Amino acid sequence: QVQLQESGPGLVKPSQTLSLTCTVSGGSISSGSYHWSWIRQPAGKGLEWIGRIYTSGSTNYNPSLKSRVTISVDTSKNQFSLKLSSVTAADTAVYYCARGKEGHDYGDYVHYYYYMDVWGKGTTVTVSS
Amino acid sequence: QSVLTQPPSASGTPGQRVTISCSGSSSNIGSNYVYWYQQLPGTAPKLLIYRSNQRPSGVPDRFSGSKSGTSASLAISGLRSEDEADYYCAAWVDSLSALVFGGGTKLTVL
Repeated sequence: QVQLQESGPGLVKPSQTLSLTCTVSGGSISSGSYHWSWIRQPAGKGLEWIGRIYTSGSTNYNPSLKSRVTISVDTSKNQFSLKLSSVTAADTAVYYCARGKEGHDYGDYVHYYYYMDVWGKGTTVTVSS
Repeated sequence: QSVLTQPPSASGTPGQRVTISCSGSSSNIGSNYVYWYQQLPGTAPKLLIYRSNQRPSGVPDRFSGSKSGTSASLAISGLRSEDEADYYCAAWVDSLSALVFGGGTKLTVL
């Protein structure tokens, strides 16, 4: 079955750019109606959705992070990546990558669905000088 | 402050039924499905409920989800010690093209 693994530096200096990669194994990143997502969680706090990318390259970002976030995909390597610029201590968190499934249900109304069904184990990133 | 509001904590004794609420607005829960994630200590979140009331394969039927208007609930019946975890609700926001989470509820099994 599909598995995801985050990788990247565990320590980033303030004002620099945080860069993480998620490697997808057990399946092609290009198959199915999936988005590929990033979520983070500061220690002792809740989950925050960062954004997602479709293999076509289309992206959606959390409005609160949009000015600093770039998510990209490399289908040849079965990977997608996160870049977060101008980091501060507030960006210290566990970063998760996840597979997002989306679609529409058609009935009396059209209902859009999108949820993350496969998650990586997460990687801790600390922003400190 | 999270867009979706959950109680910070909940508790119950083994065998009991507990519910966790998630309150939103017309722009999120009111117009979209709700999702629930379970996060056991030290692990990644796991999808528990999707499309407001559907369980993924492998999730026990002790877990159920419901939605009414701008609120949703997760119910856990026959509470077990292994259910002790953090639970998060989530919903899509069309106007933002973004997913929002609740602040999470820590469930303690007494």
